[in-house]
Amino acid sequence: GAVVSQHPSWVICKSGTSVKIECRSLDFQATTMFWYRQFPKQSLMLMATSNEGSKATYEQGVEKDKFLINHASLTLSTLTVTSAHPEDSSFYICSAELGLTVYNNEQFFGPGTRLTVL
Amino acid sequence: AQKITQTQPGMFVQEKEAVTLDCTYDTSDPSYGLFWYKQPSSGEMIFLIYQGSYDQQNATEGRYSLNFQKARKSANLVISASQLGDSAMYFCAMREGLEEGRRALTFGSGTRLQVQP
Repeated sequence: GAVVSQHPSWVICKSGTSVKIECRSLDFQATTMFWYRQFPKQSLMLMATSNEGSKATYEQGVEKDKFLINHASLTLSTLTVTSAHPEDSSFYICSAELGLTVYNNEQFFGPGTRLTVL
Repeated sequence: AQKITQTQPGMFVQEKEAVTLDCTYDTSDPSYGLFWYKQPSSGEMIFLIYQGSYDQQNATEGRYSLNFQKARKSANLVISASQLGDSAMYFCAMREGLEEGRRALTFGSGTRLQVQP
């Protein structure tokens, strides 16, 4: 099956610093990637939809200036958490869509990035 | 209103027994897909099974089957012959619509399954 990687797998940073998380589709081109956030013992919540070559679409309540998304190529999307604070500590997971049809399971998840802000 | 509802926060099952994890959904869109994912403690999301809204038969994948009752808007996951390695968090998810940008998944709150020897 298609493989999606994320880097780093975990990161610890000081409050106020910025952290960049990469999401790559390794063996396919992904026009659309999705970023989710999962707080401890909670479900995954969609943060934003990242489209190659255009601006990301953010979900209500997600600050676009704080969570910068760049989808510069068909295989790479990056999420930058700017001026991170302890409340941004979470598990960030990306997923990539393989095809254009809806009637199948063509969405693949990365292994996730655990962010801890001290 | 919740789009995906999983009413069982936790479930126990004996090894080799079958277990059903409940999932109900809410959508007015005639075109949608239902997914089940397994999330072990490592955090990765492991795809288990998929059911499309127009699929006539219930989906099956090895020991996993999906009991799809469209009129009741339920999509329960059945795991047969449970194994210790099945212990994990299980999420039901839905994807609605055909339009661009609506292919993200909406997840339920999850069910933690513990398989006992």
